[in-house]
Amino acid sequence: AQSVTQLGSHVSVSEGALVLLRCNYSSSVPPYLFWYVQYPNQGLQLLLKYTSAATLVKGINGFEAEFKKSETSFHLTKPSAHMSDAAEYFCAVTGNNNDMRFGAGTRLTVKP
Amino acid sequence: DAGVIQSPRHEVTEMGQEVTLRCKPISGHDYLFWYRQTMMRGLELLIYFNNNVPIDDSGMPEDRFSAKMPNASFSTLKIQPSEPRDSAVYFCASCPSGRGGSGELFFGEGSRLTVL
Repeated sequence: AQSVTQLGSHVSVSEGALVLLRCNYSSSVPPYLFWYVQYPNQGLQLLLKYTSAATLVKGINGFEAEFKKSETSFHLTKPSAHMSDAAEYFCAVTGNNNDMRFGAGTRLTVKP
Repeated sequence: DAGVIQSPRHEVTEMGQEVTLRCKPISGHDYLFWYRQTMMRGLELLIYFNNNVPIDDSGMPEDRFSAKMPNASFSTLKIQPSEPRDSAVYFCASCPSGRGGSGELFFGEGSRLTVL
């Protein structure tokens, strides 16, 4: 079985500051890992995904994540936060099937 | 292309009533998922289908919940009888086949259920 743990249910940064959202995974098979974003009253949208190719994955809106097997981590980063980045972010994992399991989510607040 | 379509977007009902949520996946997607989102539990996978066949329903909370997929373009999630603790946003998502397909789940906008 696979699962992810997101460290920190709330993260607050100033506009222009580095964004770091943490995710650790557990999987009995090589995982596929994902980050999704959810804006208020909407469904989830894919930010980026890792599917065993390059370990540094670039996504939309300037976000990227690095797969580190030794640390079982897949942290999401963005060099400079923008007000429009305020949202809830979910890390997710799949195993050999397509049953995607989500973390509890991290709410990102961006202060002006 | 149309995305995943869910209905109703909002439903308010009284305890004990039957609730039916509907989902139309993206055409050509072989997998369909039902998730429930609450503040307390986050996003929970309830059940998923592959080629209209339920693969894993271990996330369905209890017998009051049932899901069907009579054909490739339609699925329902039914709660009977409904209880206040069922209040949540229910999401339907679909993806193409293959391990992780593209890996990307395409989500509907959700059905917000309130049980009084």
